[in-house]
Amino acid sequence: DAKTTQPNSMESNEEEPVHLPCNHSTISGTDYIHWYRQLPSQGPEYVIHGLTSNVNNRMASLAIAEDRKSSTLILHRATLRDAAVYYCILRQPMEYGNKLVFGAGTILRVKS
Amino acid sequence: GAVVSQHPSWVICKSGTSVKIECRSLDFQATTMFWYRQFPKQSLMLMATSNEGSKATYEQGVEKDKFLINHASLTLSTLTVTSAHPEDSSFYICSATPGRPYQETQYFGPGTRLLVL
Repeated sequence: DAKTTQPNSMESNEEEPVHLPCNHSTISGTDYIHWYRQLPSQGPEYVIHGLTSNVNNRMASLAIAEDRKSSTLILHRATLRDAAVYYCILRQPMEYGNKLVFGAGTILRVKS
Repeated sequence: GAVVSQHPSWVICKSGTSVKIECRSLDFQATTMFWYRQFPKQSLMLMATSNEGSKATYEQGVEKDKFLINHASLTLSTLTVTSAHPEDSSFYICSATPGRPYQETQYFGPGTRLLVL
């Protein structure tokens, strides 16, 4: 499984932007970069995904490095409800079972 | 749209009994469902991949005779923990993906907390 590396934890102030980094130096050309988050005592929630180009949706933005060996999830204005564990995952191709393999993730704490 | 439910949300049982957990995709057909287990302060660990109408594929180290998975329809998968013991106490989470290319998302259920006494 292609691995990702994320900081164990990060802290942000409410209403400020948050940049969550992810390294994936062994990414292959067909791997999509997915981000999920998990609030306490809940199942994970999809945030965003991308392949090569930067992506934006209503929740966040995803900036992907030109060599695709790293990416950054951007929350434009953190709220207390964004406090969660954020997982950066390389999506396995269908022939490998279409699996999501979760790493340790980054615990995001948001201060009011 | 894209809602996945689990039932029950929590269950307490005695050691040696079997427990069944249901996972349903409410507004889409799920050709593939996944079962995860999560211990406190740890990440999710994939247990098995369940495809409708066929046998589940278990991850290495997961006992298929202990964790029985049935995916009888496109909207329902069940996980049965047979002869549960205290070490099986955990948070069990299912996810489902519609019949789309792999770059699409997975939709997760809210989880089932199992406590075996």
